[in-house]
Amino acid sequence: NAGVTQTPKFQVLKTGQSMTLQCAQDMNHNSMYWYRQDPGMGLRLIYYSASEGTTDKGEVPNGYNVSRLNKREFSLRLESAAPSQTSVYFCASSLNRQGWYGYTFGSGTRLTVV
Amino acid sequence: AQSVTQLDSQVPVFEEAPVELRCNYSSSVSVYLFWYVQYPNQGLQLLLKYLSGSTLVKGINGFEAEFNKSQTSFHLRKPSVHISDTAEYFCAVSDSNDYKLSFGAGTTVTVRA
Repeated sequence: NAGVTQTPKFQVLKTGQSMTLQCAQDMNHNSMYWYRQDPGMGLRLIYYSASEGTTDKGEVPNGYNVSRLNKREFSLRLESAAPSQTSVYFCASSLNRQGWYGYTFGSGTRLTVV
Repeated sequence: AQSVTQLDSQVPVFEEAPVELRCNYSSSVSVYLFWYVQYPNQGLQLLLKYLSGSTLVKGINGFEAEFNKSQTSFHLRKPSVHISDTAEYFCAVSDSNDYKLSFGAGTTVTVRA
């Protein structure tokens, strides 16, 4: 099925470890996003890529880096994980940066940092 | 920058009863408004959106929402809910300044028989 695929679905890290969350979409969308979801706080934008070759910071970028590898793939890296990064991470894509057709979300990565 | 406030964090409702989820936003420019639904352990799905035109918009699964510019609101309604409507609902807004989508904190709807 067409959509947004995230890997892994679950991950447990020790404080200080690094990891990369992978995201790929097969809808030929131009824009891609990384959000984190925490209880009572909704979704907060970490980084986004309006088009291939560009990336920009969102609301909560500290402690993260991203790479727009090509039009399909947008990865999120935690260089030195901290307990405050325990969260559910969602990747999303949209046809263009205006997002007027809505965002398509992946099923999420549940990350626990101990 | 825009902000979104969902006025109810939890809404319990009986099956076949109506439900209204309230959302207010703040922005100084033209806004685009969305409602998303998240079923347990899944990603978010688009329910409906308002971009321009008629202020009453209809979405999937019998939901509708009304844009009220003077009250800066975009409340979501369904006249008769089903057990399967149990989920978390998010209001989201973007504006013509940067088009980044901002989400409210979410409203958990629990439908009981």
